[in-house]
Amino acid sequence: DVKVTQSSRYLVKRTGEKVFLECVQDMDHENMFWYRQDPGLGLRLIYFSYDVKMKEKGDIPEGYSVSREKKERFSLILESASTNQTSMYLCASRGLGLAILNEQFFGPGTRLTVL
Amino acid sequence: DAKTTQPPSMDCAEGRAANLPCNHSTISGNEYVYWYRQIHSQGPQYIIHGLKNNETNEMASLIITEDRKSSTLILPHATLRDTAVYYCIVIRGGSQGNLIFGKGTKLSVKP
Repeated sequence: DVKVTQSSRYLVKRTGEKVFLECVQDMDHENMFWYRQDPGLGLRLIYFSYDVKMKEKGDIPEGYSVSREKKERFSLILESASTNQTSMYLCASRGLGLAILNEQFFGPGTRLTVL
Repeated sequence: DAKTTQPPSMDCAEGRAANLPCNHSTISGNEYVYWYRQIHSQGPQYIIHGLKNNETNEMASLIITEDRKSSTLILPHATLRDTAVYYCIVIRGGSQGNLIFGKGTKLSVKP
């Protein structure tokens, strides 16, 4: 089974802190994604990565950055956390190939609260 | 990518079939229909996808109308653990694009 793991299930940080959310997948997938999920807004894409050291902005990249130094790991960074970044953060990975091109595997999520 | 329309919520009795509809009237020829679900406090989970033929796997069946403008996800014997939000997504085959999750249908399976 594909495993996508996230470093924390729950996280509480203070305004202005630098926050790192880590995501690791074990299926050698090329693509990895970071989403946030808020009530009434569904899932929104923050950033994604096609390969190591490659990154692309999603729909709501402001206030976030990412890092992909190794294929299995994709990190989401909040440089200076703000209260409007309180949310559920979901990481996903996807392999290439026609059969599974759009089948994304999601991690369990990190519920971040910024006070 | 084509937009989808789903009812916001549905109920189903445990052990009965749950039929979840999705309208995608603007779907184009090379777009696939994907279904995901999200159980409370978990990440979304892939269920099934199809292009124009009906599909079945161990989790569900997907029925796509002949004109491809709508589809139905069928959970043949719903259990309480199937209570979740179900998302219907349409995306171009071979696309490097990203899944766009709408509001989905909240399915409540009741004993």
